[in-house]
Amino acid sequence: DSGVTQTPKHLITATGQRVTLRCSPRSGDLSVYWYQQSLDQGLQFLIQYYNGEERAKGNILERFSAQQFPDLHSELNLSSLELGDSALYFCASSVAGGVGANVLTFGAGSRLTVL
Amino acid sequence: DAKTTQPNSMESNEEEPVHLPCNHSTISGTDYIHWYRQLPSQGPEYVIHGLTSNVNNRMASLAIAEDRKSSTLILHRATLRDAAVYYCILRDPRRKGNTPLVFGKGTRLSVIA
Repeated sequence: DSGVTQTPKHLITATGQRVTLRCSPRSGDLSVYWYQQSLDQGLQFLIQYYNGEERAKGNILERFSAQQFPDLHSELNLSSLELGDSALYFCASSVAGGVGANVLTFGAGSRLTVL
Repeated sequence: DAKTTQPNSMESNEEEPVHLPCNHSTISGTDYIHWYRQLPSQGPEYVIHGLTSNVNNRMASLAIAEDRKSSTLILHRATLRDAAVYYCILRDPRRKGNTPLVFGKGTRLSVIA
């Protein structure tokens, strides 16, 4: 158990629907990162939050949004789902600063299947 | 982040040492060398990192060339559980705030029983 908790582990839904993926970071970690991994792509960075504020944005589609709440958990919202959104979605967290800030701890992922 | 180059795949026999190379010729003086691995159907996990000196931990050793333009992750005795994709990533801790890791394609390590 890495300490980063992601729910749900598996999710099957239909095209056009909307889902929410949830992440609880390790205790004490202020940064949360979201990554997408599909079969034909590597790990793609989506978005990062630091203590509730958006810090960095990667290849995140406009149909996707995220937020980090005061208790530091984060949610990734995926809407108007398409078949191509089927992927593993990973959340990671890291401590506040220093060299340790560059060490990310990943959760086990949420597998999304869009039918 | 500076670019790294790794072989696409490598193969090792079980219980033998494995040396996974990484080239990073454009590394800056403040870049740390980080290694992560991703086991099948799991999230990536941190393996080791270093700056200039060789580093050892319970998982692996990291050997860094004197000019820092290359490094090698060493698994001293490969087991079947070490079969994974290994990623070499450069990180500059001076960068403002916590910044995301950018993963390349990594090296897929197969371990043969």
